Amino acid sequence: NAGVTQTPKFRILKIGQSMTLQCTQDMNHNYMYWYRQDPGMGLKLIYYSVGAGITDKGEVPNGYNVSRSTTEDFPLRLELAAPSQTSVYFCASSRGGLTDTQYFGPGTRLTVL
Amino acid sequence: GQQLNQSPQSMFIQEGEDVSMNCTSSSIFNTWLWYKQDPGEGPVLLIALYKAGELTSNGRLTAQFGITRKDSFLNISASIPSDVGIYFCAGPQETSGSRLTFGEGTQLTVNP
Repeated sequence: NAGVTQTPKFRILKIGQSMTLQCTQDMNHNYMYWYRQDPGMGLKLIYYSVGAGITDKGEVPNGYNVSRSTTEDFPLRLELAAPSQTSVYFCASSRGGLTDTQYFGPGTRLTVL
Repeated sequence: GQQLNQSPQSMFIQEGEDVSMNCTSSSIFNTWLWYKQDPGEGPVLLIALYKAGELTSNGRLTAQFGITRKDSFLNISASIPSDVGIYFCAGPQETSGSRLTFGEGTQLTVNP
């Protein structure tokens, strides 16, 4: 099992550009999550999904969109990149809710200039 | 919203020393989780605690669920260089059982 994979590892965007961060898990987990981690801070939840076709907002959803058309994939879309979105983005998955371990991907480091 | 406060923010220790860090909240938590993040990687779950007063070990790591349910502690004994990283506490948000609140982390540096 590869676990949770994320692409790309690094990306530099100009203000106003759009991009999609990809996340795939091969553990057949129902729950998937997107977090952002700003320097010296903990993780903030952007969006999460409890199953294919179901998504919900986390703490900091503004400026982002998600979709969950399959169990495996949970892409995160930035429509109009802003410098405030410079961060490291982590995708995670878990079999069930919070009593189950969340497995994190290696992260995508995004810089918006 | 719920906040988790971790202390200390950073620690610089010598190899072989024991380490203690804690996490406190103004709200009650029913679950406490401790994660470690290695440099350049995503967090990995170390220990999960589900009951007030619970003491759980994972190798050289021991974590405790505080009696008040508003705090948790993580101890590392006989530290080694690979213990370097950021240690996060986390707990489920009251309003949604699917969301975790994370502390800001304790950065640990171990000098050989």
